[in-house]
Order: sequence, then structure tokens, then C-alpha cells
Amino acid sequence: QKEVEQDPGPLSVPEGAIVSLNCTYSNSAFQYFMWYRQYSRKGPELLMYTYSSGNKEDGRFTAQVDKSSKYISLFIRDSQPSDSATYLCAMMNYGGSQGNLIFGKGTKLSVKP
Amino acid sequence: EPEVTQTPSHQVTQMGQEVILRCVPISNHLYFYWYRQILGQKVEFLVSFYNNEISEKSEIFDDQFSVERPDGSNFTLKIRSTKLEDSAMYFCASSNTGADTQYFGPGTRLTVL
Repeated sequence: QKEVEQDPGPLSVPEGAIVSLNCTYSNSAFQYFMWYRQYSRKGPELLMYTYSSGNKEDGRFTAQVDKSSKYISLFIRDSQPSDSATYLCAMMNYGGSQGNLIFGKGTKLSVKP
Repeated sequence: EPEVTQTPSHQVTQMGQEVILRCVPISNHLYFYWYRQILGQKVEFLVSFYNNEISEKSEIFDDQFSVERPDGSNFTLKIRSTKLEDSAMYFCASSNTGADTQYFGPGTRLTVL
């Protein structure tokens, strides 16, 4: 079983739609969960950072973490064409040493005007 | 807004040659990382660096790889004898604490011929 699983898509939605992206993971020691956005041939850009279970909202973006199910989600409300990118989930177990991020493969999102 | 910078943006080299990829992390950050992303694949952790020494490395980071912080601002990744399979995007990242958000640079695209 892969450590982090993410449906690669592609996912195509009309402008204004609500987008739901998600990842599952197998390592129950993960404590820190992030979502990054990556445009083609660019570096990952941090969108959301969450510690442990719960919800976090930032503008049109909401991140949810359910540690009991080992499942994380990113919701994008009122999606815009500029949201078209690849969305990467990443997670980390920080246990007294520097944590390295384990990434999902990324979901490619296209928002059509 | 402070950002991680990387040079060069694209490096082409012949198999067997040495390359040095350079990064300038965010100035008050203490933890530094290198990741790579082979085209179409996941972002993978290579190495983390803190207090002038490697704190963690992946199995990818073999004897052909080395990292250095030669001065107060630069962080470098050296590949001694490049192989075709080293062709990838290489991302530098930095964070303020080991459990904090990692901010990524724009990447260096390495092409080994």
C-alpha cells in the first residue's frame, strides 16, 4: 500500500463549481497536513497547513483532516479558471527531527470559463 | 514577501559531469531541504539540513549527492557524476522550524544527456 494516495484526475469543472480534492494515507503517525498548488513546471505553492484533525478555512479554500479515517480533503468554493493547476497533498511526521514531506501524486484540475 | 530562489532555472549537462544546483532560502529560516520531481511523478524528498549538517536523507540521496551551506545565504546540492535518471526538477525548500510550513523555490530543471 502506497503511503499517500491521490487520484491524479484530470478533473474538469465549470467556473463557479465547488471542487473537492482528497488524499488517503496509511501512516497513522502523520501529524501535519498540507495542500500545495503547482502550476506546470513551477514550484509547489503552499495553500493550506493543518495540524492534526479538524477543519481550516482560508477564503475560498477549506481543508479537512480526518485522522481516524486517514483521509484529508481540500474544498474550493466558487472555482475560477485561475485555480486550474495541479493540487498536491503532503504530510509529515515530525518526531523530534526534521520532518520530510511525503507527497501525493497530485490532482490536475481544470476550471472551464 | 520573502521567497526561496534557485539558480539556474534550467541546467543541461552530459552524463558523468558534475552539477551544482544553488538555492537561497528565506533569510530567517533554519531548516533546508531538497526535493526532486521526475516528469509526471511525485515530488520526492532527498535531504534535510539543519545546523550545518544533514539531519535526514532518503535512499535516493546516495554517495553521488552532497549538500553544503557555503555561506550564510546559499544552500547547494551537488551531483558528482550525473546519470540519465537524474533528469528531473529539483526543488529547494526552507522552513523556520522543523514542524513549520516548508516554502518551495521555483525549481531547477536538470537535463542529463
